[in-house]
Amino acid sequence: DAMVIQNPRYQVTQFGKPVTLSCSQTLNHNVMYWYQQKSSQAPKLLFHYYDKDFNNEADTPDNFQSRRPNTSFCFLDIRSPGLGDAAMYLCATSSRQGAWNNQPQHFGDGTRLSIL
Amino acid sequence: GENVEQHPSTLSVQEGDSAVIKCTYSDSASNYFPWYKQELGKRPQLIIDIRSNVGEKKDQRIAVTLNKTAKHFSLHITETQPEDSAVYFCAASPLAGNQFYFGTGTSLTVIP
Repeated sequence: DAMVIQNPRYQVTQFGKPVTLSCSQTLNHNVMYWYQQKSSQAPKLLFHYYDKDFNNEADTPDNFQSRRPNTSFCFLDIRSPGLGDAAMYLCATSSRQGAWNNQPQHFGDGTRLSIL
Repeated sequence: GENVEQHPSTLSVQEGDSAVIKCTYSDSASNYFPWYKQELGKRPQLIIDIRSNVGEKKDQRIAVTLNKTAKHFSLHITETQPEDSAVYFCAASPLAGNQFYFGTGTSLTVIP
């Protein structure tokens, strides 16, 4: 089945130790997103790629970076994780072909990040 | 940026009754409004969506209405079942961008 795959499902890292979360997709969608979701809260958009164009949200901390080496893969790098960065990180994709052609997002199962 | 508000934050209904969740958005340029259902520990899953050129859309027990003038949209679930229990999120996406901005979520409990 075509899908959005996130690895790992659970990640534990130490305070201040860089960590990378990965996302891959077989949908060939041109837009990929990273969200942070804390317990009992809504997903919060961190940034997205439209093809190779990176779009950062204004309130995303500089501690969060992203890379998209090709259509299928996207990475979330947290340079110096703090305790407040413990959360579920969701990757999503969508296909956008024009101004009136927003398409639904397809989400991965998420990576739950814990900070020791 | 877009600001999406969602009410109520929690909702309990008896099995078989209807449930209504309401969202308002701030950016009049938003033109696409999906609704997601998220069960505990699982991914958000799309249940229905509506575009700004349509006032209402229905899919079996689920319907969504949109009032562009008032900038609000609502999810209606009829004949609720215990398996409808989950957190529901509305979202808004702008015409000129690819972002999706989520509402704060509604925890729905259907009491058997």
